[in-house]
Amino acid sequence: KAGVTQTPRYLIKTRGQQVTLSCSPISGHRSVSWYQQTPGQGLQFLFEYFSETQRNKGNFPGRFSGRQFSNSRSEMNVSTLELGDSALYLCASSGGDRGWAFFGQGTRLTVV
Amino acid sequence: AQKITQTQPGMFVQEKEAVTLDCTYDTSDPSYGLFWYKQPSSGEMIFLIYQGSYDQQNATEGRYSLNFQKARKSANLVISASQLGDSAMYFCAMREPPLTGANSKLTFGKGITLSVRP
Repeated sequence: KAGVTQTPRYLIKTRGQQVTLSCSPISGHRSVSWYQQTPGQGLQFLFEYFSETQRNKGNFPGRFSGRQFSNSRSEMNVSTLELGDSALYLCASSGGDRGWAFFGQGTRLTVV
Repeated sequence: AQKITQTQPGMFVQEKEAVTLDCTYDTSDPSYGLFWYKQPSSGEMIFLIYQGSYDQQNATEGRYSLNFQKARKSANLVISASQLGDSAMYFCAMREPPLTGANSKLTFGKGITLSVRP
């Protein structure tokens, strides 16, 4: 089985721009969740999608949004980028009878 | 309130020795799942082991085992026969109900840095 695929791996954006990150989950998994990892705040939950519906949301401003498609692939979008949005963004795919969560390699976003 | 606590400073272990990484958690729900992940410098979060709160036995996956003490709310990771490739950050995480389907949110600890010495 292919693992969780995140694209792109690296991104450099300018303040004020917007960015879209992509996540393809493990085949058969219907839940995709997103996390932001920074040295100061650690790993923080952004949101989760299950069967194309947002089921859970973390404490992030509305500039952070996402969606999930019928094939379970998910995208997250950050608008009006700020320097503090520089982080590693990780996507997790969850499914199966144990509900184990597997992560992708992450997208490292740098805002300059 | 902090739900997952990993308080050890950077840990060092000699190659081929065993090491224990500590994790304590806090939840009032009797049903929960505990995960350990390894994060090398590349950034990928690698799943290591899972323990469900109702699992009868402590989880084991190859060189990884989990010392699960429910009454103490601790889930320590034991790595046997350490290898140089084990040098990484290790995160403990908890999932509260429901444990499958929607609501797959994980709460993470701050992580522990493990360095394996040759």
